[in-house]
Amino acid sequence: DTEVTQTPKHLVMGMTNKKSLKCEQHMGHRAMYWYKQKAKKPPELMFVYSYEKLSINESVPSRFSPECPNSSLLNLHLHALQPEDSALYLCASSQDIFSSGGGTEAFFGQGTRLTVV
Amino acid sequence: ELKVEQNPLFLSMQEGKNYTIYCNYSTTSDRLYWYRQDPGKSLESLFVLLSNGAVKQEGRLMASLDTKARLSTLHITAAVHDLSATYFCAVEYGGATNKLIFGTGTLLAVQP
Repeated sequence: DTEVTQTPKHLVMGMTNKKSLKCEQHMGHRAMYWYKQKAKKPPELMFVYSYEKLSINESVPSRFSPECPNSSLLNLHLHALQPEDSALYLCASSQDIFSSGGGTEAFFGQGTRLTVV
Repeated sequence: ELKVEQNPLFLSMQEGKNYTIYCNYSTTSDRLYWYRQDPGKSLESLFVLLSNGAVKQEGRLMASLDTKARLSTLHITAAVHDLSATYFCAVEYGGATNKLIFGTGTLLAVQP
């Protein structure tokens, strides 16, 4: 099973709302990621969790708050977003993030298409 | 800061033709991945290249990695319409704590 499940698939939220994106994987992967993708652009890394600890924050604004409750779950809490934050948010997981013989092939979820109004 | 560039950004080709997409990156890495993305969809892993000289083939697609030249290629043989999608290369970067940096993407449109 190489599935990463994201919910919801679509989300429309106002600039004063608080919402959360959820991501789940059952592949036993110890690294999980949030990426943001604008239309016709490559995915941009936001956060990396390794063994449930935040390992990388790519200078993301604090209105985005990640959380990793356990090794299978990753959340992204959203608060006071701006219209320019509208994008496809992709969750991914990989075996781990450390240099290893197997590399760190990432498996992506279907994404949440977020619209901020 | 690692930069990953793909060439071309847009490729329109006829069915049955061959073509190559190039992925250049700016700093040392010996791990590179190719992904496919259909419009409005997620990313599908195509190839994992983990060493200099690695070559992988799946159907009409073949990927290779030259770490000395910092170059990967994705070769398309006898294109078919089903291959129409955006293709991204992604370079593993960062030393002990690795992360994937994606290339600019190549939008491939295969015309009948």
